[in-house]
Amino acid sequence: GAVVSQHPSRVICKSGTSVKIECRSLDFQATTMFWYRQFPKQSLMLMATSNEGSKATYEQGVEKDKFLINHASLTLSTLTVTSAHPEDSSFYICSARPLGGGADTQYFGPGTRLTVL
Amino acid sequence: AQKITQTQPGMFVQEKEAVTLDCTYDTSDPSYGLFWYKQPSSGEMIFLIYQGSYDQQNATEGRYSLNFQKARKSANLVISASQLGDSAMYFCAMREAPSGGYNKLIFGAGTRLAVHP
Repeated sequence: GAVVSQHPSRVICKSGTSVKIECRSLDFQATTMFWYRQFPKQSLMLMATSNEGSKATYEQGVEKDKFLINHASLTLSTLTVTSAHPEDSSFYICSARPLGGGADTQYFGPGTRLTVL
Repeated sequence: AQKITQTQPGMFVQEKEAVTLDCTYDTSDPSYGLFWYKQPSSGEMIFLIYQGSYDQQNATEGRYSLNFQKARKSANLVISASQLGDSAMYFCAMREAPSGGYNKLIFGAGTRLAVHP
């Protein structure tokens, strides 16, 4: 149980295009999902927290107009990188907190590697 | 200010020996959670062990144990009987709840562990 999937696992796109990454909780409902970014050889940095049916809360320094987050259902959150540029190339990881789960319960997806040419 | 500090960028250990990965944290919140994750080269985040701030005993999970010293604000991970498959990046993380905000995980910089035969 407690499986989180991400799609796609890898994506290569041209500079200026938009890329959508999906994060799904497969066997549980998630009220809260988190989006992280990890640059090569660095740690995970929280980008934003999304709650189903409400606007995402972005961390300081993360452009909300560039990284659009939609949490339309209790099992799906999407991150859209708009007008992607090479500096957006990174590993994007989501995690999900189950409905009724405690503050210390969250499950990670396998990550999406984005390469912007 | 650094909330989670991992001072060892890299560690080497001989197979079958024990190794300790250091982690110190900084928080003024009396309620917090501490985590260790393993990240192999595939990128997935594998949960290893958790320690709650109010837990009286040190957490253990199989070959993993957490040496929790609350007064020193340290939460070192001990891996006993190292195996070649333990070679990976290891992240210490802390769940914090900023005032008026959502609970979120803050990650340390990570320690790369190499297990030698």
